[in-house]
Amino acid sequence: SAVISQKPSRDICQRGTSLTIQCQVDSQVTMMFWYRQQPGQSLTLIATANQGSEATYESGFVIDKFPISRPNLTFSTLTVSNMSPEDSSIYLCSVEDESAGANVLTFGAGSRLTVL
Amino acid sequence: AQKVTQAQTEISVVEKEDVTLDCVYETRDTTYYLFWYKQPPSGELVFLIRRNSFDEQNEISGRYSWNFQKSTSSFNFTITASQVVDSAVYFCALSEALHSNYQLIWGAGTKLIIKP
Repeated sequence: SAVISQKPSRDICQRGTSLTIQCQVDSQVTMMFWYRQQPGQSLTLIATANQGSEATYESGFVIDKFPISRPNLTFSTLTVSNMSPEDSSIYLCSVEDESAGANVLTFGAGSRLTVL
Repeated sequence: AQKVTQAQTEISVVEKEDVTLDCVYETRDTTYYLFWYKQPPSGELVFLIRRNSFDEQNEISGRYSWNFQKSTSSFNFTITASQVVDSAVYFCALSEALHSNYQLIWGAGTKLIIKP
């Protein structure tokens, strides 16, 4: 299965600033997914990122707040803009693990953001 | 509407005890997948199993076993002879065939604590 590297692994940010999270995959993938996991909560899909097109955002998430780039088939970034303490979460990048079967996802280790 | 319920928020057992994590799902679709993922304290989600709706056979993998019962819409996970390394948050998830963008419906997770 694919190996996913996320940077940063964790960060402490000031209110009102923006942070970009990078996701690098060791193989080419069609779709990459960005999830948010708020403290003690389950996972929520933010958006799906396809190479060469705009990301598809889920209900409750907008491009102005979470702009996503997908410049090639192995890389994506998620920016959390104008952060507030409510944005403190783990942000996870994932891809489909085709070797394990349909809809099986492989995840990066996550980026734990704390907003003060 | 689709939904995944993990009623057990936290379970604590002593090492070597058997433990069962419950998962109940709701879906109108006749074709769907069920998943279990493990999230250890390090944060990275690890895929454990995928089961499709047409395969009700129980599965065993070492100390892990899964009991899928469509009659009760349940997909329970049992760890036999638990070990401290099994301590993690376990998520059950549902994917319906109608959703082509790999939208998984996640349960809230069960935190499993194995005491030495």
